[in-house]
Amino acid sequence: AQSVTQLGSHVSVSEGALVLLRCNYSSSVPPYLFWYVQYPNQGLQLLLKYTTGATLVKGINGFEAEFKKSETSFHLTKPSAHMSDAAEYFCAVTVDSWGKLQFGAGTQVVVTP
Amino acid sequence: DAGVTQSPTHLIKTRGQQVTLRCSPKSGHDTVSWYQQALGQGPQFIFQYYEEEERQRGNFPDRFSGHQFPNYSSELNVNALLLGDSALYLCASSLSRTSGGSDTQYFGPGTRLTVL
Repeated sequence: AQSVTQLGSHVSVSEGALVLLRCNYSSSVPPYLFWYVQYPNQGLQLLLKYTTGATLVKGINGFEAEFKKSETSFHLTKPSAHMSDAAEYFCAVTVDSWGKLQFGAGTQVVVTP
Repeated sequence: DAGVTQSPTHLIKTRGQQVTLRCSPKSGHDTVSWYQQALGQGPQFIFQYYEEEERQRGNFPDRFSGHQFPNYSSELNVNALLLGDSALYLCASSLSRTSGGSDTQYFGPGTRLTVL
């Protein structure tokens, strides 16, 4: 069975600093990997996804993530944090053909001036 | 193009009651999935509907049931509500293709259910 682990339930970054959110997965088959963002009192919005091909994936709002099979990781980064990046971020994996998502517990990002 | 819509936005019920939540998928989508997000946790998969049938189900009791209509909209029903059913219920829609599960799921804003 697949699972997702997000390291750090809360991350605080200064405005303009690097944002790094860690995600590790376990899966017996090549996974499809996703990062979603959730703003307060809203649903989930897709930031980016990895299916096949290039392992460095670029998403919306300046985020990107790199799939590293050898490390079973899919960490999310953004070079320069903005106040509007304050939100909760979820890493998710699906390995079945119907797209059932299994989510990590989430990482709350706080951006300080 | 309207995205995924859900109603109602908020709902307060008491233990033992029954509740129905509604979801309209994104235009052109034929698959609806429901997730439960308890406070401070990631969403948990409840079930998925395709062609008006429950195609896949997560680890939830039979008190949780659903339906999909010919226009692809969906309902989630929960019977005999427990305090632990208090959560944000998210609906997600997608288009089923032969892409092995890589299709993006688009989420609605959710329904906040409080059980007293």
